[in-house]
Amino acid sequence: GEDVEQSLFLSVREGDSSVINCTYTDSSSTYLYWYKQEPGAGLQLLTYIFSNMDMKQDQRLTVLLNKKDKHLSLRIADTQTGDSAIYFCAEGYNNNDMRFGAGTRLTVKP
Amino acid sequence: GAVVSQHPSWVICKSGTSVKIECRSLDFQATTMFWYRQFPKQSLMLMATSNEGSKATYEQGVEKDKFLINHASLTLSTLTVTSAHPEDSSFYICSATPQGRNTDTQYFGPGTRLTVL
Repeated sequence: GEDVEQSLFLSVREGDSSVINCTYTDSSSTYLYWYKQEPGAGLQLLTYIFSNMDMKQDQRLTVLLNKKDKHLSLRIADTQTGDSAIYFCAEGYNNNDMRFGAGTRLTVKP
Repeated sequence: GAVVSQHPSWVICKSGTSVKIECRSLDFQATTMFWYRQFPKQSLMLMATSNEGSKATYEQGVEKDKFLINHASLTLSTLTVTSAHPEDSSFYICSATPQGRNTDTQYFGPGTRLTVL
């Protein structure tokens, strides 16, 4: 079964904050990633966090990691229509294995 | 459900040889499979879209004669790296879309690390 789970859909209004959540089951991962996929394009790496970190902020993006609950979230501040896409979370391991979630479709309404 | 496997998970080969990587959907049928390539700490680069029973669609800049894709059944797609060279060393990941779903839904394999000596 899937080791990484995400809700499939999220809809927000332009200017609001978006929070995309991800849960995982394997605590041995080294990195946790967030990817963005726009229609017809490949996955674009947005940001990643080491598994020993709690938070990482990069401009409008904030990643929070709760290792105890095995919960990862991506917050997008001041969400814009250009942020509409599918967002994938993924676990990465030292042996280069990766485990992806099924993706969350973010729809930003004007 | 929705498990995708890849084989092998790690392969080392000599320059000039060909390597085949398999991508299987274990508990669903996949009409569409995607092949990606990833360099360390970089984004996944979409290489090609593979549809069962038809020729793969390659992204611009990807050599179709070098990266042969065969999607012979609804549960198996293969990527063959022909005459591999050290610059082909990379992490190759496949994903599969369940039959009847649109390509918004993709389930990813664990990846295959190819090292060409």
